[in-house]
Amino acid sequence: KAGVTQTPRYLIKTRGQQVTLSCSPISGHRSVSWYQQTPGQGLQFLFEYFSETQRNKGNFPGRFSGRQFSNSRSEMNVSTLELGDSALYLCASSPGPSDSNQPQHFGDGTRLSIL
Amino acid sequence: GNSVTQMEGPVTLSEEAFLTINCTYTATGYPSLFWYVQYPGEGLQLLLKATKADDKGSNKGFEATYRKETTSFHLEKGSVQVSDSAVYFCALISNTGGFKTIFGAGTRLFVKA
Repeated sequence: KAGVTQTPRYLIKTRGQQVTLSCSPISGHRSVSWYQQTPGQGLQFLFEYFSETQRNKGNFPGRFSGRQFSNSRSEMNVSTLELGDSALYLCASSPGPSDSNQPQHFGDGTRLSIL
Repeated sequence: GNSVTQMEGPVTLSEEAFLTINCTYTATGYPSLFWYVQYPGEGLQLLLKATKADDKGSNKGFEATYRKETTSFHLEKGSVQVSDSAVYFCALISNTGGFKTIFGAGTRLFVKA
């Protein structure tokens, strides 16, 4: 069974640009969550999607947005990139929504570097 | 709000030493507790979980017991190997706080041969 796939693995952008990251969950998983991981802040929750609807959102500015498609694949977009957006972005999937208390399965992440 | 506190790292041990990584939590309701492990260059992998008080999660020689009276979920292993070198994250999901997974800051473990 294929795991969670995130593309691209590495990305370099400059300030002011925008970026789209992609996540394909494990087959049959309908919940996708996104996290930002940095050395200083650790793992911070961005948002969760289930059945194409955003169910939870973390404390990030509106420059961070996402969506989920009917096949459960998800994209995350960051506009007007800032230096502080440099991080490892992790996607995680689970069969059901977060209130089912099911553990999440993580992808290897997209490392975003802002110059 | 809900939170998870882990002991600061890095933790450096010799092979075959005993490992304890402390984790305490603050949560209302009845949280489920998890330990995840992150190897270099990879995402997080679920190591073990416990869903109610006094449950013991175990996997690959690692164990953790859900202690509601002390709000703790300490990770232990009797004999570590070099291959256990990684970052370990304690986490919770609570029926309060919107069911978001709350992660601790992570504890880096180095095991020397």
